[in-house]
Amino acid sequence: AQTVTQSQPEMSVQEAETVTLSCTYDTSENNYYLFWYKQPPSRQMILVIRQEAYKQQNATENRFSVNFQKAAKSFSLKISDSQLGDTAMYFCAFMKLNFGNEKLTFGTGTRLTIIP
Amino acid sequence: GAVVSQHPSRVICKSGTSVKIECRSLDFQATTMFWYRQFPKQSLMLMATSNEGSKATYEQGVEKDKFLINHASLTLSTLTVTSAHPEDSSFYICSARGWRALSYEQYFGPGTRLTVT
Repeated sequence: AQTVTQSQPEMSVQEAETVTLSCTYDTSENNYYLFWYKQPPSRQMILVIRQEAYKQQNATENRFSVNFQKAAKSFSLKISDSQLGDTAMYFCAFMKLNFGNEKLTFGTGTRLTIIP
Repeated sequence: GAVVSQHPSRVICKSGTSVKIECRSLDFQATTMFWYRQFPKQSLMLMATSNEGSKATYEQGVEKDKFLINHASLTLSTLTVTSAHPEDSSFYICSARGWRALSYEQYFGPGTRLTVT
């Protein structure tokens, strides 16, 4: 079974600064996806960014980028120019490719607070 | 596009009663729906996966007789918590994947907070 570990339960950063959230995972699979989801106080899960394991290039989405280290099984999220609206729980998630039976395994989450 | 709704958003029920939570895909046909449970300040735990027209597949440790899942149409899945107890109080979230969707695409509903008194 796959496991996803987020070692930072809480983090806080000043508005406009850069913050990096850590995630490690354990798997014997070679083909999989990794995700970062955001859960704001509304509790609605929002996809932030996705990385395919076969791609060496790190995914970026505007202010959000990842550092994907496949050999180290590490998948960190960097948020640049942080904004108040970035305050949320952030979950790292793993998905093994399984012929239509793909399921998400979530980490324990990091509560990020952006300080004005 | 790709909107998933849940009803109700909040529900309070008495211990021993049953409660039904609906998950609907509003603008796409969802061949697969997922049900998650989230305890306060904790992560999402997958409870079961349901494919339209077939029986749900439950994760290890989830009581299938307690958490009844029905995926009778391509736009609706329901989770019924039977004989609810206070320990069933939690936040329940569904997600849906559409016909011909890429394997990684899941769209989440806004969640349902269940409180059992």
